[in-house]
Amino acid sequence: DVKVTQSSRYLVKRTGEKVFLECVQDMDHENMFWYRQDPGLGLRLIYFSYDVKMKEKGDIPEGYSVSREKKERFSLILESASTNQTSMYLCASITSGTSYVEQYFGPGTRLTVT
Amino acid sequence: GEDVEQSLFLSVREGDSSVINCTYTDSSSTYLYWYKQEPGAGLQLLTYIFSNMDMKQDQRLTVLLNKKDKHLSLRIADTQTGDSAIYFCAGMNSGYSTLTFGKGTMLLVSP
Repeated sequence: DVKVTQSSRYLVKRTGEKVFLECVQDMDHENMFWYRQDPGLGLRLIYFSYDVKMKEKGDIPEGYSVSREKKERFSLILESASTNQTSMYLCASITSGTSYVEQYFGPGTRLTVT
Repeated sequence: GEDVEQSLFLSVREGDSSVINCTYTDSSSTYLYWYKQEPGAGLQLLTYIFSNMDMKQDQRLTVLLNKKDKHLSLRIADTQTGDSAIYFCAGMNSGYSTLTFGKGTMLLVSP
């Protein structure tokens, strides 16, 4: 069965801390994505990766960076967490080159920055 | 880039039909999706439609696509209280298969 897992369901961090959110998929997918979800704003794309060590900025990359050292793992990094980064973070993955395309989502990490 | 708009709230009675509407701007979206999110959960793919289709039916779900008006709708027949959730429409962008989501429609089903 398809699986995307995220390292934490809930996380509380202090302003200024460095925060790592981990995402792992077991489907050998090439493309992986990080979104944040906020009430009334829907999901917005932060960063995505289409191959190991490759990354592209999404719509709201400011304040974030990413790392993809292995195909199955995509990390989102908040270099210096701020309160406006309190949000739900969703990871997704997809395989490329197929006739039908579906993004598989992880359960989400609810991050609170105090 | 793609812009996707949805109404934010819909309230129906159990047993009625629900229709959730969505408009999008990018006519090159190959696939259009409907996702469901229950409280505290991640996104669950409900159904999708390929851009060369007008309609797709899947049990209680009917998706209608009007390409001329760039309008997508999701009809849920015989709506149940378990259908209460937030529904997102999304268009898939060409290239890296990123999704652009609407802000979500909260569906509330009352007994």
